[in-house]
Amino acid sequence: EIVMTQSPATMSVSPGERATLSCRASQSVSSNLAWHQQKPGQAPRLLIYDTSTRATGIPARFSGSGSGTEFTLTISSLQAEDFAVYFCQQYDNWPRTFGQGTKVEVK
Amino acid sequence: EVQLVESGGGLVQPGGSLRLSCAASDFTFSKYSIHWVRQAPGRGLEYVSAISADGGDTYYADFVKGRFTISRDNSKNTLDLQMGSLRVEDMAVYYCARVGYHGVYDIWGQGAMVIVSS
Repeated sequence: EIVMTQSPATMSVSPGERATLSCRASQSVSSNLAWHQQKPGQAPRLLIYDTSTRATGIPARFSGSGSGTEFTLTISSLQAEDFAVYFCQQYDNWPRTFGQGTKVEVK
Repeated sequence: EVQLVESGGGLVQPGGSLRLSCAASDFTFSKYSIHWVRQAPGRGLEYVSAISADGGDTYYADFVKGRFTISRDNSKNTLDLQMGSLRVEDMAVYYCARVGYHGVYDIWGQGAMVIVSS
């Protein structure tokens, strides 16, 4: 099973600032990496797939990069609605696995 | 609106059974593989089970093999997860999720809470 490790677990950011979230895979997942956003009491929502492709309706301030085992999600200028938990997920291998999440909170 | 809606969650005693359902709307259900993913309280997301678009292939995480059964009825646009021999550690919110053309979960249901407690 591929283990996905996210860092940091929590980050405190002021609105308007940039946030950079990291995700590491225990073995290569090629570019088969997605990011999901989850707000309290809500289902996850797909943000990014294939490492860097934004899902339908996702604003351009969200961008993804990386390959192999190291990946990054960047939120260029945090808006109030962006404070949430972000999960990375690999879909290169079975079983599909997720990172433990990074909580982005208001500083 | 393209959506998945789960139902059937609730309280069950350890060793008991529960059936979750997932109803799809506004997309061609029979063309998509669907997975169940769960989230225990305060925990991350965990793949549970999967079923192919035509229902011919099913897959299970090791921790539910032999206890859970996934099935679908493409004529009714519904998906079921029959859960048996439930354990306290199975307590979680269970989400059904559509696997899109890129192989990623592109549509999630709102979740169904399963509480396993005596």
